[in-house]
Amino acid sequence: QVQLQESGPGLVKPSQTLSLTCTVSGGSVSSGSYYWTWIRQPAGKGLEWIGRIYTSGSTNYNPSLKSRVTISVDTSKNQFSLKLSSVTAADTAVYYCAREVVRGTNWFDPWGQGTLVTVSS
Amino acid sequence: QSVLTQPPSVSGAPGQRVTISCTGSSSNIGAGCDVHWYQQLPGTAPKLLIYGNTNRPSGVPDRFSGSKSGTSASLAITGLQAEDEADYYCQSYDISLSGSVFGGGTKLTVL
Repeated sequence: QVQLQESGPGLVKPSQTLSLTCTVSGGSVSSGSYYWTWIRQPAGKGLEWIGRIYTSGSTNYNPSLKSRVTISVDTSKNQFSLKLSSVTAADTAVYYCAREVVRGTNWFDPWGQGTLVTVSS
Repeated sequence: QSVLTQPPSVSGAPGQRVTISCTGSSSNIGAGCDVHWYQQLPGTAPKLLIYGNTNRPSGVPDRFSGSKSGTSASLAITGLQAEDEADYYCQSYDISLSGSVFGGGTKLTVL
């Protein structure tokens, strides 16, 4: 079955760019039936959708983060990536990657295990 | 402030039935967008519990059920078990925001 695994630095300095990669196994990011999505969760708080990418490279972003977010896909490596610029302490969170199933109102399944990113000097 | 509104907490004794509500608006649930539910056990990633308002993925016990009406949806859990203690999130799509939205989450405590 499809599995997703996040990777990247666990500590990022304020004003710098957060960069994470999600590696997909057991399936292909080139599949036309799915979007590939990033979601985050600050400690003790709820889930926030960051954005998504389709295999074609088409993207959609959360309006509240749109000016700072870039999501890209590398089909040769079966990976997709997140870049979040000008980070502050408010961006400290567990970041999840997930497969978004395209079926009417889309849902997320499966999810990666998540990776904690702390923004601190 | 989440776009979808859930109660912060619910509780019930083993064997009892609990429900968790998810209230949206005319730009998401009320617009006909489906609602999905996720279970997040402590220290783990969310897991899909209900999709398309009422459907259970393979492996999810039939003790879990979903419903939707108007601008709201509900998750019902019958025959509560200790292992059901977790955070539960609803999710839908918001037409105004052009993206997915979540509820703030509900912590279920099994007494």
